[in-house]
Amino acid sequence: AQSVTQLGSHVSVSEGALVLLRCNYSSSVPPYLFWYVQYPNQGLQLLLKYTSAATLVKGINGFEAEFKKSETSFHLTKPSAHMSDAAEYFCAVSGGMDSSYKLIFGSGTRLLVRP
Amino acid sequence: EAQVTQNPRYLITVTGKKLTVTCSQNMNHEYMSWYRQDPGLGLRQIYYSMNVEVTDKGDVPEGYKVSRKEKRNFPLILESPSPNQTSLYFCASRGTGGHGYTFGSGTRLTVV
Repeated sequence: AQSVTQLGSHVSVSEGALVLLRCNYSSSVPPYLFWYVQYPNQGLQLLLKYTSAATLVKGINGFEAEFKKSETSFHLTKPSAHMSDAAEYFCAVSGGMDSSYKLIFGSGTRLLVRP
Repeated sequence: EAQVTQNPRYLITVTGKKLTVTCSQNMNHEYMSWYRQDPGLGLRQIYYSMNVEVTDKGDVPEGYKVSRKEKRNFPLILESPSPNQTSLYFCASRGTGGHGYTFGSGTRLTVV
């Protein structure tokens, strides 16, 4: 079965600092991996996705993530945090015979950005 | 504008009173799904549908029903809501490629 682990339910950074949100996955088949962002009182917005093309994936709002098969990781980064980045971030995986129609989510990481 | 529309956004109801949360997408997507979001648990799939008249259970289907009579609509039905179904619910859809879902804005349900 597939699963996703996000390390750290809360991450706090200063404005302008590097953002690093960690995601590790478990999958017996080549996965499709996603990062979604949820702003307060809103739905989920796709930030970026990995679908077996380039291992470094660039997304919206300056975010990017690198797929590392050897580490089963798909960490999300942004070089310089903005106040507007404060939100909850979810890593998700899909793919495989038993889950190709659903996304399996991690428990989420809330990003706090200090002025 | 391509979107998934859920209604209502907020709902407070009493235990046992049947309710329906509607979901509609305008992207001609084959796949639709319902998730619930609870603190510390992320999003968990309730039901999904691969096309019209084809539905299947997700990870937490107990207490819920769905139907897919038209491609664009995928309502979530709670026949007899209970307080443990108090949650934030999301409908989502996707096409045949890409594997990423488009999400609705959510329905916050409170069962008292």
